[in-house]
Amino acid sequence: EDKVVQSPLSLVVHEGDTVTLNCSYEVTNFRSLLWYKQEKKAPTFLFMLTSSGIEKKSGRLSSILDKKELFSILNITATQTGDSAIYLCAVITYGGATNKLIFGTGTLLAVQP
Amino acid sequence: DAGVTQSPTHLIKTRGQQVTLRCSPKSGHDTVSWYQQALGQGPQFIFQYYEEEERQRGNFPDRFSGHQFPNYSSELNVNALLLGDSALYLCASSLMRGVLRGAEAFFGQGTRLTVV
Repeated sequence: EDKVVQSPLSLVVHEGDTVTLNCSYEVTNFRSLLWYKQEKKAPTFLFMLTSSGIEKKSGRLSSILDKKELFSILNITATQTGDSAIYLCAVITYGGATNKLIFGTGTLLAVQP
Repeated sequence: DAGVTQSPTHLIKTRGQQVTLRCSPKSGHDTVSWYQQALGQGPQFIFQYYEEEERQRGNFPDRFSGHQFPNYSSELNVNALLLGDSALYLCASSLMRGVLRGAEAFFGQGTRLTVV
């Protein structure tokens, strides 16, 4: 059965800290890996990773994928209180005629002032 | 450009009742997927609709059914509600050609369903 596992489940840090969130996966027919940020309801898209070793960067956030070891990390530097959210990792798998997203449980990040 | 819109935002139903949730995809998108997110969990894939047909389905019972209309909007129906159906229901829209190459989906704000 396809699965995506995120760690840690929750994390409390202080403003200015750097955090690393982990995502490992075991799926058949891997297409790509996505990171989303969920603050209240709608997950908002952060990154899509399809190739190993190529870092994606957006401001203080960056992410990289290792397709050999089947994991990805999301780094947030100089954290701010506005980074507090659930960070979801999802893998797109090909199943029959189309693709679908398989999500991990998420990492709840709390950034304290 | 409106993003993905869902209605209603909140809903309270009684066990055994039926519910219909609605989703309008982002302009230009033709594919709609539905997810159930229980408290403390990641979203779980329910099914995906394209060209008014269910294209793929997750591990959900037949009580969960859906429909897609010619304007690409979609409905999720749940019959014989159980307490365990209480969750945030998310709709995601995308373009099928993007879906097939593994592109990202855009999510609506969700419908919070509470079954009492």
